Order: sequence, then structure tokens, then C-alpha cells
Amino acid sequence: AQSVTQLGSHVSVSEGALVLLRCNYSSSVPPYLFWYVQYPNQGLQLLLKYTTGATLVKGINGFEAEFKKSETSFHLTKPSAHMSDAAEYFCAVSERSNTGKLIFGQGTTLQVKP
Amino acid sequence: EAGVTQFPSHSVIEKGQTVTLRCDPISGHDNLYWYRRVMGKEIKFLLHFVKESKQDESGMPNNRFLAERTGGTYSTLKVQPAELEDSGVYFCASSPDRVEQYFGPGTRLTVT
Repeated sequence: AQSVTQLGSHVSVSEGALVLLRCNYSSSVPPYLFWYVQYPNQGLQLLLKYTTGATLVKGINGFEAEFKKSETSFHLTKPSAHMSDAAEYFCAVSERSNTGKLIFGQGTTLQVKP
Repeated sequence: EAGVTQFPSHSVIEKGQTVTLRCDPISGHDNLYWYRRVMGKEIKFLLHFVKESKQDESGMPNNRFLAERTGGTYSTLKVQPAELEDSGVYFCASSPDRVEQYFGPGTRLTVT
């Protein structure tokens, strides 16, 4: 069965530092790939997605992710963290020929220190 | 454009009682999904509607859970009778194309 692994349930960075949140999936057939963010007391918001085409995907708020088929990875990065980036981040996949149901990783809470 | 809305935002009930959660999707979105996050675990798929039809209910935990989607518009998820392990956050999402899903704020269910 398809699975998604996010390395690190909590990540702490200093304001202005690089943000790197890791995500690996298990499927041998590249799925659709997503990153969602959940700010406190809010729903999940789509940051970015990869479906086809260019493997480096840019999203909202300065985030980007790169699909690496050989590594079955879709890591999320941002060059410079802002205090407002503090939230929980979820990597998710869906199978291309399926109903679109998402399979989520465990989530990574990002803390940004001043 | 209004987003996905869910009601109530928080529900506290006793074990054995019944609770009904409601989701209003974005207008025009045929696809509606329910997910659940139990504390400390990942968000898990429950079921998928296309209009009023259930397409995939493989994630429904047991027959205490009943989902409906009236006329292909809003959806309800009923838990009857509720058990302690049903506590968690229930998310609804809608999609026009089964690719990009728009999530509601969730309903936090606490069963005591």
C-alpha cells in the first residue's frame, strides 16, 4: 500500500534560515504530490502540487518543492524562514488513476525562532 | 467564492451518543471527501462522493459511521453510537477535478 513518510515531526529553525521539510513516498509509479499547511485553528491550505512537467514546483509564500523520481522524494524548501511560517506541514500523495483520495504523511510542525 | 464550510467547529459528546457533522463544499464541486485525524496520527481518508454517489468508502472504520450527500450538495457524517476512539478532527474537502482538494476548517469531535 502507498505510504508517505515525513522525516521529523518537529523542525525548528531561526528566522531567516533555510527551511527544509522532508517527504518520501513509497509508490513505484509516481503519484500526484502535494504539500499542505495548517495554521493554528485553520483548515489545510494547499501550498503546492506536482502533477506533471517541471519537477521543481513553486508554491505560495515563497515555498518550493522538487520531485525526484529516483529518490521517491518531494522535499519542501524555503530559502528564508519568517515567523509567520510557523505551522504544521503535511505531505500527501494521490494515485493518478484513482479517486483522488489523499494519503498523508504524519505532519511536521515547523517552529521559527526569532 | 466561498470556501468549504463545516459545522460544528467543535462537538463534545458522551460515549454512546449520536453526533452529526456537516460539510458544505464549494459550489459546483462534484467531488467531496471526508478525512479524519486522530490525535497523534496522520490524516486518514474516510470516503469519497461524486455528486450524491459514494465512490469509495474504503476508509470508513466501521458501520457506526454513516455518510450521506443530499442532492449532491452538502454532506453529513453521522457517528452512532460514538465511542472514545472516535475522538479527533474530521475534515471535509471538495474538488472539481479529483486532483486539487480544498479543505474545510475541520470539526473537532471529543467523545468523553
